[in-house]
Amino acid sequence: NAGVTQTPKFRILKIGQSMTLQCTQDMNHNYMYWYRQDPGMGLKLIYYSVGAGITDKGEVPNGYNVSRSTTEDFPLRLELAAPSQTSVYFCASSWEVTGYGYTFGSGTRLTVV
Amino acid sequence: GQQVMQIPQYQHVQEGEDFTTYCNSSTTLSNIQWYKQRPGGHPVFLIQLVKSGEVKKQKRLTFQFGEAKKNSSLHITATQTTDVGTYFCAGRLVGGTSYGKLTFGQGTILTVHP
Repeated sequence: NAGVTQTPKFRILKIGQSMTLQCTQDMNHNYMYWYRQDPGMGLKLIYYSVGAGITDKGEVPNGYNVSRSTTEDFPLRLELAAPSQTSVYFCASSWEVTGYGYTFGSGTRLTVV
Repeated sequence: GQQVMQIPQYQHVQEGEDFTTYCNSSTTLSNIQWYKQRPGGHPVFLIQLVKSGEVKKQKRLTFQFGEAKKNSSLHITATQTTDVGTYFCAGRLVGGTSYGKLTFGQGTILTVHP
């Protein structure tokens, strides 16, 4: 099993550009999440999904959009990139019930210049 | 909103010394999880605590959940260089629409000097 796969691993964007961060999981998890991690700030939830076709905002959704057309895929879209979006982005997935931890992808390091 | 505070932010120890990180929530938690993130890596799930006063051990790591289910701690005995990384606690609220989502603490960065 590959677990949670994120692409790309690194990306440099210019201000105002757009991009999509890809996330795929092969564990048949219902729940998927996008977090951003800034130095010393822990992990902040951007968006999450409880199943295909269902998404909801987390703590810091502004400037981002998501979709969940399949159980496996949960892409994160950045529109009009800003320097404040420079961060490391982690996708994660989990089973619906408690008792199981999140499985994280290896992350995407994004720099907006 | 729910806040999960973690202290200390940094901890430097000599190899062989003990290490403890503390996690406090502003609200009662249904459960709490702990993760470890190696430098340059991604968070990896360590354990979940559910019951009030629960204590679990994994080799040199001891995890505790407070009686009021608002605080937790991770204690490492006799640290090794392989323990280096950031340790995060993450809590789930009791009930409500946010069930299933975790709120992460800021993490404690542990460095171990050989």
